[in-house]
Amino acid sequence: QVQLVQSGAEVKKPGSSVRVSCKTSGGTFNSYAISWVRQAPGQGLEYMGGIISRSDTTKYAGKFQGRVTITADESTRTAYMELTSLRSDDAAVYYCAMGGFGNYESGPYPHHIDFWGQGTLVTVSS
Amino acid sequence: DFVMTQSPDSLAVSLGERATISCKSSQSLLYSSNNKNYLAWYQQKPGQPPKLLIYWAFTRESGVPDRFSGSGSGTDFTLTISSLQAEDVAIYYCQQYYTAVGTFGQGTKVEIK
Repeated sequence: QVQLVQSGAEVKKPGSSVRVSCKTSGGTFNSYAISWVRQAPGQGLEYMGGIISRSDTTKYAGKFQGRVTITADESTRTAYMELTSLRSDDAAVYYCAMGGFGNYESGPYPHHIDFWGQGTLVTVSS
Repeated sequence: DFVMTQSPDSLAVSLGERATISCKSSQSLLYSSNNKNYLAWYQQKPGQPPKLLIYWAFTRESGVPDRFSGSGSGTDFTLTISSLQAEDVAIYYCQQYYTAVGTFGQGTKVEIK
């Protein structure tokens, strides 16, 4: 049974950075794509980006390009998401999630999301 | 960019009645090489992460009740709850994964009338 356990809630000041971890168990770590999805209070789901560790491929949504870095450590089965230059509108619950992926001419792409972490609340306040 | 638009934003349905949610993509999600539509549906209840219901547009995830079904192809998709139960009150999201960066619809809130 795949499980994803995320790090605890964070309170950050505007302009700072946050790093959220996601420790996985069960399954074969590099057989999955790991995605990061956030949800602002009372809002919908927003896909930030993902990593496929088997091919060391990362993709980011254009909105976050340059501010987000997603990494994965196969030895510890842990993924990380770092978001820099935090603003008040970055306040949200951040989810890590895992699913399969496919290999295509343009590279590997994540598929649908099978498993979700419990979420990490990030508060941005001066 | 692929834009996913759901309708309605919310709906209220009587217990035992049918609930239907539409999801439209700005571009086709049908991959011709394998004839699969890269579309998933998720259910999210308050305070919980989303839960996968349907993938490849109509394949039900293991353990999901058969009152949930997905249909459609190309740019137009539908999630149907054939007989609404109290535990189905939630927000439902569609997601395209045709591109490397998947995008979600804005969500549809389902309530009991």
